[in-house]
Amino acid sequence: QKEVEQDPGPLSVPEGAIVSLNCTYSNSAFQYFMWYRQYSRKGPELLMYTYSSGNKEDGRFTAQVDKSSKYISLFIRDSQPSDSATYLCGIFGGSEKLVFGKGTKLTVNP
Amino acid sequence: NAGVMQNPRHLVRRRGQEARLRCSPMKGHSHVYWYRQLPEEGLKFMVYLQKENIIDESGMPKERFSAEFPKEGPSILRIQQVVRGDSAAYFCASSRTENQPQHFGDGTRLSIL
Repeated sequence: QKEVEQDPGPLSVPEGAIVSLNCTYSNSAFQYFMWYRQYSRKGPELLMYTYSSGNKEDGRFTAQVDKSSKYISLFIRDSQPSDSATYLCGIFGGSEKLVFGKGTKLTVNP
Repeated sequence: NAGVMQNPRHLVRRRGQEARLRCSPMKGHSHVYWYRQLPEEGLKFMVYLQKENIIDESGMPKERFSAEFPKEGPSILRIQQVVRGDSAAYFCASSRTENQPQHFGDGTRLSIL
C-alpha cells in the first residue's frame, strides 16, 4: 500500500461548484498535513497547513483532517476558473521526509 | 521577491554531460529539500540538507547524483554523466525549521538530448 493515495482525476466542474479533493494515508505517525496548488509549469504553492484533526478554514478553502480514518480533504467553495490547477496533498510525521500524493487535476469551467 | 529561487529555469544537456541546478532558500530558512517530478507523477523526495550537512539522502540515486548546501551560497544539486531518464522537473523547497511547511521554487526543467 502506498503511503499516500490521491485520486488523480481529472476533475471538471462548473464555475461556482463546491469541489472536494481527498487523500488517504497509511502511516499513523503522520502528524502534519498540507495542501498545495500547482499551476502548469510552476512550483507547488502552499494553500493550507494543519497538524490536528478537525477543520481549518481560509477564505473559500477548508481543510479537513480525520486521523482516525487517515483521511484528509480540501473543499473549495464557489470555485473559479482561476482555481484550475493540480492539487497535491503532502503529509509528514515530524521527521524530515514529506510524502506527496500524485495530485488531482482540477478544471473549473466558466 | 523573497521566495525560493531556482536557476536555471530550463537546462538542456547532452547525454554524458553534467547538470548543475541551483537553489537559494527563502530568507531565514536553513532547511533545503530537493524533489523530482516526472509527468503524471507526484513529487518524489530526493535529499534534505541543512547548512553544510546532508540530513537525509534516502531518495537520491546512489550514483551520479550529489547535493550540497555550503555555508555561503546556494544549494547545488549535481547530476554527472546525465542520461535520458534524468529528464524531469527538479524542485527545491525550504523551511524555517524541520516541522514548518515547505515552500517551493518554480523548478528547473532538465531536458537530456
